[in-house]
Amino acid sequence: DTGVSQNPRHKITKRGQNVTFRCDPISEHNRLYWYRQTLGQGPEFLTYFQNEAQLEKSRLLSDRFSAERPKGSFSTLEIQRTEQGDSAMYLCASRSPGGAVSVEQYFGPGTRLTVT
Amino acid sequence: QQQVKQSPQSLIVQKGGISIINCAYENTAFDYFPWYQQFPGKGPALLIAIRPDVSEKKEGRFTISFNKSAKQFSLHIMDSQPGDSATYFCAASNGCIIQGAQKLVFGQGTRLTINP
Repeated sequence: DTGVSQNPRHKITKRGQNVTFRCDPISEHNRLYWYRQTLGQGPEFLTYFQNEAQLEKSRLLSDRFSAERPKGSFSTLEIQRTEQGDSAMYLCASRSPGGAVSVEQYFGPGTRLTVT
Repeated sequence: QQQVKQSPQSLIVQKGGISIINCAYENTAFDYFPWYQQFPGKGPALLIAIRPDVSEKKEGRFTISFNKSAKQFSLHIMDSQPGDSATYFCAASNGCIIQGAQKLVFGQGTRLTINP
């Protein structure tokens, strides 16, 4: 399978705990995005990497959230001191380095986070 | 300026009928308009996309109609099938600009049900 993969698929945690999600983009896609989707809503942009550089962050990404892409391949999203409002589907998408020609973003299956 | 408004929220169509979902945007800098299909528990899958230099794009049973002056675009699903039952999201980005994230701004989604 050469698509975007995300792990774990589901995570249940207690309020106050830290969680970390992983995203493996499509091979050779140098652009990687994280989005958050709450029930019944469209995905909302969280952050963007080009290679290993984090170039843009949404205001939705509070200080409790941190994302990394250390070698420009896989990425991790960590949430510290989780709150019930963090319960959502966390989606990762990747895009090829084709500049203005190839703009399609391909999404992974998501990680469903439930904070109890 | 960043909103994309989608309607209807839900839609029921008989098998073989035409499903029509509409979106409107505000930001005139948007120049890339994809539609995504999402099944429960899955990530969004790219269905079809259009740039504003054309007024219509057709791929199989799926057609995007684009009205630049009205800042509106729509998805038409011809000969709708029960397997098309899913949630559909329109989105927009300034995809032609090389610099920047070209992040997707999503509509709220339309839950489509095709009755057999």
